Amino acid sequence: AQSVAQPEDQVNVAEGNPLTVKCTYSVSGNPYLFWYVQYPNRGLQFLLKYITGDNLVKGSYGFEAEFNKSQTSFHLKKPSALVSDSALYFCAVRDLNQAGTALIFGKGTTLSVSS
Amino acid sequence: DAGVTQSPTHLIKTRGQQVTLRCSPKSGHDTVSWYQQALGQGPQFIFQYYEEEERQRGNFPDRFSGHQFPNYSSELNVNALLLGDSALYLCASSLGQAKTAEAFFGQGTRLTVV
Repeated sequence: AQSVAQPEDQVNVAEGNPLTVKCTYSVSGNPYLFWYVQYPNRGLQFLLKYITGDNLVKGSYGFEAEFNKSQTSFHLKKPSALVSDSALYFCAVRDLNQAGTALIFGKGTTLSVSS
Repeated sequence: DAGVTQSPTHLIKTRGQQVTLRCSPKSGHDTVSWYQQALGQGPQFIFQYYEEEERQRGNFPDRFSGHQFPNYSSELNVNALLLGDSALYLCASSLGQAKTAEAFFGQGTRLTVV
């Protein structure tokens, strides 16, 4: 079965420090991977995706993600965290076994950036 | 350009009742998906509509049904509500059926079943 795992429920970093939010995946075939962010009482906002090509993907708001096929990981990174980055982050993989384009989400990681 | 819009924002229903949630996709998008996000969990896929047909369905009972209209807007219907149906219901739209396309989400409808 296809799945994603976010091993950390919460990540705490100080403003200005680099941040990493971890994600590992399990799929049959080549994965299509996505990161979304959710602010309180809001829907999900798309940050970036990996389809193929360069293992380092750049996205919105200064975020980037590193795809590692051997470790089946797709970690979200940012060189310098902002307090406004505090939110709930979801990793997702596209379901390749079905006809449609459903996303399979991890349980989420809460990022808390302190000033 | 309006993004994905959902209505209503909040809803309180009694156990056993029926509810209808509505979604208008982002302009130009023809595919609509519905997700259920329980408190503290990631979104769970309910079903997807494309060309007014149910294209894919997740592991949800038949109490959950939907519809897509010719203008690509969509409805989610839930019958015989249970307390466990309390959740944030998210609508997402995308263009076509390409596996590479990102989905854009609405702000969600918070359903509380009492």
